[in-house]
Amino acid sequence: KAGVTQTPRYLIKTRGQQVTLSCSPISGHRSVSWYQQTPGQGLQFLFEYFSETQRNKGNFPGRFSGRQFSNSRSEMNVSTLELGDSALYLCASSWEKTYGYTFGSGTRLTVV
Amino acid sequence: QQPVQSPQAVILREGEDAVINCSSSKALYSVHWYRQKHGEAPVFLMILLKGGEQKGHDKISASFNEKKQQSSLYLTASQLSYSGTYFCGTENGGSNYKLTFGKGTLLTVNP
Repeated sequence: KAGVTQTPRYLIKTRGQQVTLSCSPISGHRSVSWYQQTPGQGLQFLFEYFSETQRNKGNFPGRFSGRQFSNSRSEMNVSTLELGDSALYLCASSWEKTYGYTFGSGTRLTVV
Repeated sequence: QQPVQSPQAVILREGEDAVINCSSSKALYSVHWYRQKHGEAPVFLMILLKGGEQKGHDKISASFNEKKQQSSLYLTASQLSYSGTYFCGTENGGSNYKLTFGKGTLLTVNP
């Protein structure tokens, strides 16, 4: 079966711009989580959605936002990009969390 | 609070064993273990739940000490394919839906 699909794979943006990343979960998975991965901070939780509702949010500024659609696809948006936002953004989906999360390959965002 | 993993890195020869530890300062509801190879997505290995239930789909085993808020991942008779960075992800509540990951343990298995 198809895995978690994230688009685009790579992005280069300029400081001050905004960006939207997309995630299509595995069919049947209604939970979608987003993580930021950097060499210094590791994997950091951004937010989690289930049936279009945000159930939890990490400690990121309000510039980071997300949403989930009725088909479980999710998007995250980062506004007013900063150099420090350069990272690998990973999306993970789950049918039920006790069965673990399946991660996508990520979107590599570079802010210049 | 981010869980603490140890060691930070380990180098093995094929066939050797390794233990990776994960400690939290907060009460744990569950511990997840993932492996990430360079340039790839993290892959789920196993989950350990409060109360002792364990679910996974690999030959790698793990333990969960709820009183000490610790988990250990056991890799026996390591194979070249075990190389990668291992992360533990902890959850502090049953309705939390948030994993807090450790900084990872880099495991290298040499022939």
